[in-house]
Amino acid sequence: GAGVSQTPSNKVTEKGKYVELRCDPISGHTALYWYRQSLGQGPEFLIYFQGTGAADDSGLPNDRFFAVRPEGSVSTLKIQRTERGDSAVYLCASSLGLAGGMGDTQYFGPGTRLTVL
Amino acid sequence: GENVEQHPSTLSVQEGDSAVIKCTYSDSASNYFPWYKQELGKRPQLIIDIRSNVGEKKDQRIAVTLNKTAKHFSLHITETQPEDSAVYFCAAPTYYSGNTPLVFGKGTRLSVIA
Repeated sequence: GAGVSQTPSNKVTEKGKYVELRCDPISGHTALYWYRQSLGQGPEFLIYFQGTGAADDSGLPNDRFFAVRPEGSVSTLKIQRTERGDSAVYLCASSLGLAGGMGDTQYFGPGTRLTVL
Repeated sequence: GENVEQHPSTLSVQEGDSAVIKCTYSDSASNYFPWYKQELGKRPQLIIDIRSNVGEKKDQRIAVTLNKTAKHFSLHITETQPEDSAVYFCAAPTYYSGNTPLVFGKGTRLSVIA
């Protein structure tokens, strides 16, 4: 079946502009995660949705970052007043969203490479 | 919160040799430990994971071992092939109930020399 998809694959913007990054999770996956990966580093958690609600947004670096998932499927990560330091690959992952238990496999999308000039 | 450390940062092996990558974690309550492989410009892909109710798991040439007492887990790749060359990341859960964001190690760049 189709995996996690993200659009656009690349986004170049100017400092101060607003950007939106989109994630389409695997059908039926209720949990959705956003991570950010800088060059030479592992992914770093930004925000996690269970259904439509943000279950944990503790990884968002500041209030310029916001994410929504209005219908419990597609999610959009929004960055206002972009800064050069926001340049990174933004990865989305989804999982079944099993309650309890031990771990829930996360499947990653291909990422959006954001470059802020 | 959970902290994950991964070693080594780079590893070069001859084709056919074994490769071992080690990770330590800080939260003794953590119970799920996945390993991801990431090729250049590609998405991270899960290659194997282990849950804390077992000490070892194997899938063909790949195995993972878990030592809960010492709070470390290791990835073992046997009979390495050039296509195993990639960056490998270990991870542990941020919290230990069901769905959880992952905390990743900094990665190990594995080079398999033909």
